[in-house]
Amino acid sequence: AQKVTQAQTEISVVEKEDVTLDCVYETRDTTYYLFWYKQPPSGELVFLIRRNSFDEQNEISGRYSWNFQKSTSSFNFTITASQVVDSAVYFCALRTYSGAGSYQLTFGKGTKLSVIP
Amino acid sequence: DTEVTQTPKHLVMGMTNKKSLKCEQHMGHRAMYWYKQKAKKPPELMFVYSYEKLSINESVPSRFSPECPNSSLLNLHLHALQPEDSALYLCASSQGPSEGYEQYFGPGTRLTVT
Repeated sequence: AQKVTQAQTEISVVEKEDVTLDCVYETRDTTYYLFWYKQPPSGELVFLIRRNSFDEQNEISGRYSWNFQKSTSSFNFTITASQVVDSAVYFCALRTYSGAGSYQLTFGKGTKLSVIP
Repeated sequence: DTEVTQTPKHLVMGMTNKKSLKCEQHMGHRAMYWYKQKAKKPPELMFVYSYEKLSINESVPSRFSPECPNSSLLNLHLHALQPEDSALYLCASSQGPSEGYEQYFGPGTRLTVT
């Protein structure tokens, strides 16, 4: 069974602080994909990043960076110098092949980030 | 352009009404999805269409009826809903159904059943 755990339910930081959102996943598959999505109060889920199980290279995109470690089954997300616009719920998700041509996307429960001015 | 549009944005309906939610994408994506999201919960998959054919129905009650008229459009027909069906309904699309493709989500329809 696939599982994604985001242990932090809510985080509050003061603007310009760095913040790391944790994501731990479980799967028996050797091929899988990990995703992060951002859901601002408006409701739309915004795709942030995709990482496949064979690529452990960390990635940086502006103030965002991701640390993928297969050894600990973690795919953590760091926002540097946080801004009020970063306030949102962030979901980590795992996608694997579930058989019969179907692919399952499993979401974590989400971490609500509040950035205080 | 990575846009998925959904109409209407908000919908209030009675338990005896029939209504439809509409989703559209023009990215040439061949997989489309309906999700239901309750407050403070992650999205839950309802249906998957792959190449315009229903490939996954996650044991959704028959009062929800999906339809894919063409590769760009996805509808969700609603009939005899219950108050507990009130939620945010999200549509998504991806280039293909395989695990490697990211899904792009629309803004959702916020449904209230009275």
